[in-house]
Amino acid sequence: KAGVTQTPRYLIKTRGQQVTLSCSPISGHRSVSWYQQTPGQGLQFLFEYFSETQRNKGNFPGRFSGRQFSNSRSEMNVSTLELGDSALYLCASSFATGKETQYFGPGTRLLVL
Amino acid sequence: QKEVEQDPGPLSVPEGAIVSLNCTYSNSAFQYFMWYRQYSRKGPELLMYTYSSGNKEDGRFTAQVDKSSKYISLFIRDSQPSDSATYLCAMSEGNTPLVFGKGTRLSVIA
Repeated sequence: KAGVTQTPRYLIKTRGQQVTLSCSPISGHRSVSWYQQTPGQGLQFLFEYFSETQRNKGNFPGRFSGRQFSNSRSEMNVSTLELGDSALYLCASSFATGKETQYFGPGTRLLVL
Repeated sequence: QKEVEQDPGPLSVPEGAIVSLNCTYSNSAFQYFMWYRQYSRKGPELLMYTYSSGNKEDGRFTAQVDKSSKYISLFIRDSQPSDSATYLCAMSEGNTPLVFGKGTRLSVIA
């Protein structure tokens, strides 16, 4: 069974631009969560989608948004990029909303210049 | 005080040593406890999952949860160079987002 895939793997943007990251969950998984990982703050929860509905949202500004499609694929968008948005963005999928069985993708490394 | 505290290391041990990794937490409502392993430039990989208190063993790995002390541990027996990675603890109340420690970087020296 294929794992969680994320595209693109690497991205370089400049301040003020916007970016869209994509995540394809494991086949059959309906829940997708997004995390931001930085050396200073570690892994921080952004949001979770289940059956196209946002179920939980972390403490991030409104510049961070996401959505989920009917095939469970998910995208997250960051508008008006800031230098501090440079991070590894990780997507995790699970069958339902049970947090104990989340499987992570390899991440998208975003560098904002 | 952060919800989950984890010593960032780095921790360096010789091959074959027993490794002990720990996290403390402040939220007594946490019920689900996990350990993830993350290799460089990879996503975290679930290693161990424990519900409530107790021990769980899987091969060379043992996870322990002491809810009375708000303390969880991961033990690695007969450590191997391939165990060199960052280990992240994570926990949840149930239907709430996972809260992660910052991770402990482990190096096992051959």
